[in-house]
Amino acid sequence: GQNIDQPTEMTATEGAIVQINCTYQTSGFNGLFWYQQHAGEAPTFLSYNVLDGLEEKGRFSSFLSRSKGYSYLLLKELQMKDSASYLCAPMDSNYQLIWGAGTKLIIKP
Amino acid sequence: TAGITQAPTSQILAAGRSMTLRCTQDMRHNAMYWYRQDLGLGLRLIHYSNTAGTTGKGEVPDGYSVSRANTDDFPLTLASAVPSQTSVYFCASSDSETGTEAFFGQGTRLTVV
Repeated sequence: GQNIDQPTEMTATEGAIVQINCTYQTSGFNGLFWYQQHAGEAPTFLSYNVLDGLEEKGRFSSFLSRSKGYSYLLLKELQMKDSASYLCAPMDSNYQLIWGAGTKLIIKP
Repeated sequence: TAGITQAPTSQILAAGRSMTLRCTQDMRHNAMYWYRQDLGLGLRLIHYSNTAGTTGKGEVPDGYSVSRANTDDFPLTLASAVPSQTSVYFCASSDSETGTEAFFGQGTRLTVV
């Protein structure tokens, strides 16, 4: 079956760095997306990886290892506004997104 | 730019009543999706449409129906609502041919009592 595994909740300090891990099993693979979702709002796109390696976009970076079924999202210079849920979503062979329950990130001053 | 819009934003519905959640996008995306999101669970796909005129069942289709008469609109209908359908519903669209990201509407919070 298809499965996504992320930590349920993480806590980090403002200004620090945090890494959110995601392991996945899907029927086929067409890339992996990371989304951010603030409480009560819709998910918004953060990053997309289709090849192995690191993709950097400002304070956010995302890494993919297809052979290990593993990805992480790295957030640097954390700000209070980064408090949100982070959703890992690989795309299967039918181009359908498979969603994990997400990781709730709590930022403390 | 409007992007993708849903209506209503929230609704309280009596059990047994029917309701249609509306979703419209202006990005000319070929693919559209309906998800429900419940506390502690990931987004679960209800129905999808890869192109106008076609629809498919997702992970949790029972009790819901959709239609895709044109590219822009993808309404979701609950024929006879039950309390377990209380949830937040998100509509999304994407250009599936290029595998690009999905864009989400602002969500509809539905409470069935």
